[in-house]
Amino acid sequence: QKEVEQDPGPLSVPEGAIVSLNCTYSNSAFQYFMWYRQYSRKGPELLMYTYSSGNKEDGRFTAQVDKSSKYISLFIRDSQPSDSATYLCAGITSGTYKYIFGTGTRLKVLA
Amino acid sequence: DGGITQSPKYLFRKEGQNVTLSCEQNLNHDAMYWYRQDPGQGLRLIYYSQIVNDFQKGDIAEGYSVSREKKESFPLTVTSAQKNPTAFYLCASSGSGVGNQPQHFGDGTRLSIL
Repeated sequence: QKEVEQDPGPLSVPEGAIVSLNCTYSNSAFQYFMWYRQYSRKGPELLMYTYSSGNKEDGRFTAQVDKSSKYISLFIRDSQPSDSATYLCAGITSGTYKYIFGTGTRLKVLA
Repeated sequence: DGGITQSPKYLFRKEGQNVTLSCEQNLNHDAMYWYRQDPGQGLRLIYYSQIVNDFQKGDIAEGYSVSREKKESFPLTVTSAQKNPTAFYLCASSGSGVGNQPQHFGDGTRLSIL
């Protein structure tokens, strides 16, 4: 079992839809969680960085962490074609340098 | 602008050849990392460095070597011992405070075999 699991997609949604991207993880020691957006042939771009459980909002993006279920989510409101990319989630345990990434979910927002 | 610069964008390796990928950051970050990204496999850690003149092997270090002579630079050499080097290589950095800082990435180098 991988430490961080994501559905690879692709997930196709119409423009303006609310998108829900999800990850599950197995390491209960994870304390920090990240979401990255990666366009084709580019490096991952940090979108959200959260600590422990709860919600964090930044513009059209909301990150949600449920440590009891080992489940993390990224919501994108009013999705745009420019949001079409691969989204990576990651977790890390405090005191280590090992960031564990999911394999990514490919999102397509259709105009 | 602060960021991470990887060069070249594309690199071709001949059989038996060592090649070096460059990574430079001006974020004043202490830690730097090298990952390999293959389709469907996510990011796999090759090497990381927490401080100048010190580095540790990651999960797939065989066939790779690194150096960290300056805080801002962390070059990766893909040696001829790496039998399957074709991949997208990503360099990242993070600030001090273990586990308290997210990683930031460069735009990668795509390595192919001639």
